[in-house]
Amino acid sequence: GNSVTQMEGPVTLSEEAFLTINCTYTATGYPSLFWYVQYPGEGLQLLLKATKADDKGSNKGFEATYRKETTSFHLEKGSVQVSDSAVYFCALRGSNTGKLIFGQGTTLQVKP
Amino acid sequence: DAGVIQSPRHEVTEMGQEVTLRCKPISGHNSLFWYRQTMMRGLELLIYFNNNVPIDDSGMPEDRFSAKMPNASFSTLKIQPSEPRDSAVYFCASILTSGYTDTQYFGPGTRLTVL
Repeated sequence: GNSVTQMEGPVTLSEEAFLTINCTYTATGYPSLFWYVQYPGEGLQLLLKATKADDKGSNKGFEATYRKETTSFHLEKGSVQVSDSAVYFCALRGSNTGKLIFGQGTTLQVKP
Repeated sequence: DAGVIQSPRHEVTEMGQEVTLRCKPISGHNSLFWYRQTMMRGLELLIYFNNNVPIDDSGMPEDRFSAKMPNASFSTLKIQPSEPRDSAVYFCASILTSGYTDTQYFGPGTRLTVL
């Protein structure tokens, strides 16, 4: 079945550091891939998405590229801020379904 | 658009009591999802509906949990009787599965504490 695996957290970085959160997936067909972010005390918000191979999703300085050959969708940001501290979830949506499969989430802590 | 609306935002109850969580999806969305989030188990899909019909309830923990969607603008998740291990944040999400957009929108969640 479909599954998503994320790197374990927490990830602790200093402000302006480079961020990578790894995400790999297993799926049949051609899934869509997502990154959601959850700030403390809030629900999940869509951060970015990619719907086909080689697509790059980007938002708020975050980027992720849909790599079918390595079944990966790693999240990157060149310079993190304290306000980026949150939990980040990688997810996939299979073909012909609205159901999302989430990874376990990675906590990011950015220190000033 | 008001987004996905959940009520109550916080609920504290005693073991054995019935708990009802409510969700109003975004207008026009045709699929609705109930999730549970805990530190131990992360984010779990409990059940989802498409056009008001339950499609996949394999994540519902046991018979104490039930969910309904009587119309396109309202859903409930009921726990009866509640137990302390049900304490969690429960999220509702909705999506328009048109094939042209595939973004799930989440509500703010209901934090349930069962004493």
